Order: sequence, then structure tokens, then C-alpha cells
Amino acid sequence: DGGITQSPKYLFRKEGQNVTLSCEQNLNHDAMYWYRQDPGQGLRLIYYSQIVNDFQKGDIAEGYSVSREKKESFPLTVTSAQKNPTAFYLCASTEGQGALGAGELFFGEGSRLTVL
Amino acid sequence: GQQLNQSPQSMFIQEGEDVSMNCTSSSIFNTWLWYKQDPGEGPVLLIALYKAGELTSNGRLTAQFGITRKDSFLNISASIPSDVGIYFCAGLISNFGNEKLTFGTGTRLTIIP
Repeated sequence: DGGITQSPKYLFRKEGQNVTLSCEQNLNHDAMYWYRQDPGQGLRLIYYSQIVNDFQKGDIAEGYSVSREKKESFPLTVTSAQKNPTAFYLCASTEGQGALGAGELFFGEGSRLTVL
Repeated sequence: GQQLNQSPQSMFIQEGEDVSMNCTSSSIFNTWLWYKQDPGEGPVLLIALYKAGELTSNGRLTAQFGITRKDSFLNISASIPSDVGIYFCAGLISNFGNEKLTFGTGTRLTIIP
């Protein structure tokens, strides 16, 4: 079945360490996104990519980096520069029709990062 | 920036009851969407609304795009245990090729046995 796979589901990190979250999709979608979710808050956009080898900053890109070398893959690196990295991270994709595919996002199951 | 006020923040209901939640904004949107998130999972799209005044159903779910384009509501009829989760509204605005999707803060639905 087609879908979005995020790994790992749970990750613990020491302060000062970089960590990379994986996101793979087999939906043949052009656009991919990374969102951050904190308790009691709406989803906030970190980075998005509409096409291979291109990506744009979202609303809260500071302390994060991404790459889009393949259509299927959009990994997110949480760097040591991110002041408050503990959160639930969600990867999503859309078929197209503009940057946000009319808002119809397909989400992965999420990765929960905890900084010790 | 745009903000979506979603209410209520949480609901505790008994199985079989109807549920109503809404989102309001000071800004207009071109599209309203409702997502549901099960515990520990990613959100799943329930309903998308594209025209002001549009009323759309998906099984026991009914959602409406407000006439002013600044609000939307979601109703769930005859709730069942699998309705438990967090419901998010989202508004999409498209202006001259620039798009922005804003999420509400969520309504957490709990069903009391």
C-alpha cells in the first residue's frame, strides 16, 4: 500500500547532538513537508519541498535543515542550534496543485524526539 | 500572522451523543479542511470544503464553510468510541501563487464509558 513512512518513531538525544529524522513516501507525490507539533498548539511548518533538489523555509526553520535528493525522500536534521527540539515531528506530502495541494496533506505516523 | 481559534479545546461526551466544534479566524480562507489525529499517529483528512456556504458530509461527519469565509464547523453525530482523538481545522489561503496553510490548535474528544 502507498504511504509515508517516518523513522524512528521515538528518538532520544543529548543536548548538543544533531539528529536526522527519515521520511520516505511511495505515493509519487511531488511536494513534501515537515511540521512540528507541540501540546496544545497547531501544526507549524518547518520546511517544504515542491520538487527534487529544491526546498523552502517554513515558519519555524531556524535550527533545522533538510535535503531533497530523491523524490521519495525528505529527511529532516534537527541541529544543536534548535533551542527547544523536544516535539512530535510530522512529515507530509501532497499530489501537487500548488505548493500545498489545496491543503490535502497525507501525513506519516510521526517521530517523537526527546532531548535529555 | 493568521490565527485560527478552535473551540472547544476539549470535550468529554458519552457514546451516542452528537459533537459540534468550530474554527474562527480574523482572516478569510479559500479552503477549509478538517483533520483527525489518533493518539501517536499523524492526522488524517476528514473533509475538505472549497466554497463559502458549502455543506459537506462524510458518513456521520458534517462540515460547513462559513459564508463570511472566516469560519467553519464540524459536527459528528451519534459518537462511537473510535471517534476519540484530536480534531484539527485548517485554513488555506492562496494569493497570486502564494499559499499558506494554517492549523487550529485542536479539539481533543474523549468519550466517557
